[in-house]
Amino acid sequence: EAQVTQNPRYLITVTGKKLTVTCSQNMNHEYMSWYRQDPGLGLRQIYYSMNVEVTDKGDVPEGYKVSRKEKRNFPLILESPSPNQTSLYFCASQAQGRDTQYFGPGTRLTVL
Amino acid sequence: DQQVKQNSPSLSVQEGRISILNCDYTNSMFDYFLWYKKYPAEGPTFLISISSIKDKNEDGRFTVFLNKSAKHLSLHIVPSQPGDSAVYFCAARTGTSYGKLTFGQGTILTVHP
Repeated sequence: EAQVTQNPRYLITVTGKKLTVTCSQNMNHEYMSWYRQDPGLGLRQIYYSMNVEVTDKGDVPEGYKVSRKEKRNFPLILESPSPNQTSLYFCASQAQGRDTQYFGPGTRLTVL
Repeated sequence: DQQVKQNSPSLSVQEGRISILNCDYTNSMFDYFLWYKKYPAEGPTFLISISSIKDKNEDGRFTVFLNKSAKHLSLHIVPSQPGDSAVYFCAARTGTSYGKLTFGQGTILTVHP
């Protein structure tokens, strides 16, 4: 089954404790993205990647890091999480030349 | 600066009637527009899209209209069904940035039986 998976689905952590949210897709897509969803603000793109070792900032990259060492994986790293990063996070993948992005189920992060 | 705006946070419609969801954008470089639908506890799923060379695209009960001069697009759902109740996001990209999408705030559609 074609899918985008994210782990963990739920995470509660404390300020300053480094964390990684993993994202994996099995569709051999070139493009992958991370978004956060906040009430009244919709989905905002954090980072995206056009292929292995190629990443670029989205609209709200501050406080986040990403890496793309393999085509299927695109982890989101919060080196020092803060309460304003409490949000619902979505990973998405997209085939090159196509417009449809396929989203994962989301990760709800709470930073205390 | 919100480049894609959905000014109606919610919309309530009776089953069988038309639902019209609106979206405005400010960036004149946007040339491809998409609508996504999101159910609670799930990721968004693609619904329908339109290129700036068209002014209408239809897919079953869903039609998207684009008015480039007004920088406005709308999604029409006819007839509306209770299963259409979800959050609808419009999104836009420029011609060269396939991976970079800008989304609106979303509109919660509730279709009453």
